[in-house]
Amino acid sequence: AQSVAQPEDQVNVAEGNPLTVKCTYSVSGNPYLFWYVQYPNRGLQFLLKYITGDNLVKGSYGFEAEFNKSQTSFHLKKPSALVSDSALYFCAVRDGNNAGNMLTFGGGTRLMVKP
Amino acid sequence: DTEVTQTPKHLVMGMTNKKSLKCEQHMGHRAMYWYKQKAKKPPELMFVYSYEKLSINESVPSRFSPECPNSSLLNLHLHALQPEDSALYLCASSQGVWQGRDEAFFGQGTRLTVV
Repeated sequence: AQSVAQPEDQVNVAEGNPLTVKCTYSVSGNPYLFWYVQYPNRGLQFLLKYITGDNLVKGSYGFEAEFNKSQTSFHLKKPSALVSDSALYFCAVRDGNNAGNMLTFGGGTRLMVKP
Repeated sequence: DTEVTQTPKHLVMGMTNKKSLKCEQHMGHRAMYWYKQKAKKPPELMFVYSYEKLSINESVPSRFSPECPNSSLLNLHLHALQPEDSALYLCASSQGVWQGRDEAFFGQGTRLTVV
């Protein structure tokens, strides 16, 4: 079985401050990890993914995430938040060793960036 | 073209109506998906088509009927829906289903209201 936990329903940060959105996962095989963002009444947009290689992954809009195997985490980060980053963020995992496993999403974290 | 296009954007239907949701992609992706998303919740997988064949049905009620006329199109036929079926219906596509490494591209969704 595979699962994802996003422990915070909402994260509040001031514009210009660094932001972190937390994600931990559980898979039996190799984790393929993804971050998506969703703006109101829109579909999900892909931000970044970790498949293999460098633990620090850089993605769209200045976001990055760090894969930590020992802590089974894949936290999303950005050095300086923008008001326009306010949205719903989903972490997702797939077991890379199990062909046919579909993506499992976390419950989502609402990011609020205040001016 | 990196878009997944869904029509209509909004749909209101009665419980005795028959309607269809449409999804189109021209990225050459061979896997297409239907998801259902309730407010402030993660997307829930409904169906997966791989190479135009239905490969996964996540125990979805028969009042939802998917169809994949060709590799670029995906439909979701709706009949005798219930008010609790009101949700955002998302279509997505990816390069392949079984490769596991590919991110999914999502359409902006159809907001369905059943009255």
